[in-house]
Amino acid sequence: QKEVEQDPGPLSVPEGAIVSLNCTYSNSAFQYFMWYRQYSRKGPELLMYTYSSGNKEDGRFTAQVDKSSKYISLFIRDSQPSDSATYLCAMSEEGGSNYKLTFGKGTLLTVNP
Amino acid sequence: KAGVTQTPRYLIKTRGQQVTLSCSPISGHRSVSWYQQTPGQGLQFLFEYFSETQRNKGNFPGRFSGRQFSNSRSEMNVSTLELGDSALYLCASSGTRATTQYFGPGTRLTVL
Repeated sequence: QKEVEQDPGPLSVPEGAIVSLNCTYSNSAFQYFMWYRQYSRKGPELLMYTYSSGNKEDGRFTAQVDKSSKYISLFIRDSQPSDSATYLCAMSEEGGSNYKLTFGKGTLLTVNP
Repeated sequence: KAGVTQTPRYLIKTRGQQVTLSCSPISGHRSVSWYQQTPGQGLQFLFEYFSETQRNKGNFPGRFSGRQFSNSRSEMNVSTLELGDSALYLCASSGTRATTQYFGPGTRLTVL
């Protein structure tokens, strides 16, 4: 079992839809949870991060972490064609190894005008 | 503030050769991490350097090595290249917060 599982999609939605992206993980030592967005031929760009459990909102994006279920989500409201990209979840442990990120394989999202 | 830069952007090598990739972090960032991205395995952590010391290491063979210089610039080296080393190699830099890693555009390595 991989440490982080993410449905690769692809996911295709109409403009304005609410998008839900998810990851599950097996390592209970993960404390930091991040979402990255990667456009084609670009490096990943950090969208949001959350420490431990809870919700965090930033504009149209909401990140949720449920450590009891080992499940994290990213919601995108009012999705736009410019949101079309691959979304990657990433996680790390507390302490000295927290610079080592473990990534999901990414979900390819297409938002159609 | 300039972002993370990586050189070269594209590289073609043959099996058995070695390659060196370079990464210049964001000014003031002292941590540099390297990742390999392939369609099959996704993004995998190679190693992380801080103040010229390797602080974290992933599960890659010894053919993959790196170093960091006093100005925080970093290089990674892959010796005895194999076809499976074809990938996008990404460098990320961060300051004091590990949760905020900024990625460069990557070097796409093709091994023939």
